[in-house]
Amino acid sequence: GQQVMQIPQYQHVQEGEDFTTYCNSSTTLSNIQWYKQRPGGHPVFLIQLVKSGEVKKQKRLTFQFGEAKKNSSLHITATQTTDVGTYFCAGPSGSQGNLIFGKGTKLSVKP
Amino acid sequence: DAGVIQSPRHEVTEMGQEVTLRCKPISGHDYLFWYRQTMMRGLELLIYFNNNVPIDDSGMPEDRFSAKMPNASFSTLKIQPSEPRDSAVYFCASSPRRQSGEAFFGQGTRLTVV
Repeated sequence: GQQVMQIPQYQHVQEGEDFTTYCNSSTTLSNIQWYKQRPGGHPVFLIQLVKSGEVKKQKRLTFQFGEAKKNSSLHITATQTTDVGTYFCAGPSGSQGNLIFGKGTKLSVKP
Repeated sequence: DAGVIQSPRHEVTEMGQEVTLRCKPISGHDYLFWYRQTMMRGLELLIYFNNNVPIDDSGMPEDRFSAKMPNASFSTLKIQPSEPRDSAVYFCASSPRRQSGEAFFGQGTRLTVV
């Protein structure tokens, strides 16, 4: 079946360092979404990418959708302690109406 | 809108007992999803509804799990009988449309079965 894989599983950085998480799908996606889950919280929608090669920015966060629409990345510049949490990518499941979530990348930031 | 509302927030129950989790989706959203989150397996889709009709329940682990959506503003996930391996955080999410719509998650129910 369709799979969405994320790497790395964990990332520990010093505050101020950059961070990147990568997402790969076994199938071409019509769109990809990114979510952030703070410790003890629930996943919160960050952004959706739709076009091949699309790049979107939200302050220090840069999201990219691959040309083949099978991979994506999230890059955080100069991490802050408020960036701590787990970042998930998710893609729609073929013709179904549900989202397939990656396992997430857990980011910890040392002040 | 208050967002997706789940209750209870925490549930501790003894093995063998029935557990019912509740969810109120965002008004106007056509899709409702039940997810289970554990450290080992991440976010797993259990079942989802479109316009109150169950569409895909292939993620429901066993017959002990059942879900209903009697109307557009309410859904339940029932586990009977509960087992310790059911301990997890259960999230309900709703979405305004398929494929392109983002999912809005509730705060989750942390279930502990002892």
